[in-house]
Amino acid sequence: RKEVEQDPGPFNVPEGATVAFNCTYSNSASQSFFWYRQDCRKEPKLLMSVYSSGNEDGRFTAQLNRASQYISLLIRDSKLSDSATYLCVVFGGYQKVTFGIGTKLQVIP
Amino acid sequence: DGGITQSPKYLFRKEGQNVTLSCEQNLNHDAMYWYRQDPGQGLRLIYYSQIVNDFQKGDIAEGYSVSREKKESFPLTVTSAQKNPTAFYLCASSIDSGAPTAGYTFGSGTRLTVV
Repeated sequence: RKEVEQDPGPFNVPEGATVAFNCTYSNSASQSFFWYRQDCRKEPKLLMSVYSSGNEDGRFTAQLNRASQYISLLIRDSKLSDSATYLCVVFGGYQKVTFGIGTKLQVIP
Repeated sequence: DGGITQSPKYLFRKEGQNVTLSCEQNLNHDAMYWYRQDPGQGLRLIYYSQIVNDFQKGDIAEGYSVSREKKESFPLTVTSAQKNPTAFYLCASSIDSGAPTAGYTFGSGTRLTVV
């Protein structure tokens, strides 16, 4: 089993739709979790941290399920500008960070 | 504004040539990292440094070298020993090393191509 697994997609959704991505991780001792957004041929940029209590930033909601060892990202009312690849990042301990391969989202007019 | 600057944006390397990628940060971050990104793969760690004059190998250090003579600078040299260097190279920094609680800040990357 890979340390961090993501469905690479692409997820093609119409504007205004709600879309959710999951990311599973294998190390139960993982400490910190993040979602990054990466546009084509650009660097990853931090989208949001993920907490057990869940956190929301506008149209974006991230949640952590430690029992099932996955994190999720929900995007409501999708915009064309949301089209990007979303990377899951898991910090498993001292200097142990693993990036998922990313899930590609394409929002269609 | 604070940030990480990588240069050059594009770099072409001939067979058998060493090339150096620059990474400078003015965020006053202690830890700096070099990652490589290939299509269809997650970012892979090449080297990291938690403090000046100290650095550690990551998962794919073979064929690469680094230095950390200043807190702000962490250049990466891709040597001729790296047989498949064509990739997108990303430099990152974090305010704390170990288990960064605030995530990483990335530079804009250098796209290296072997010609």
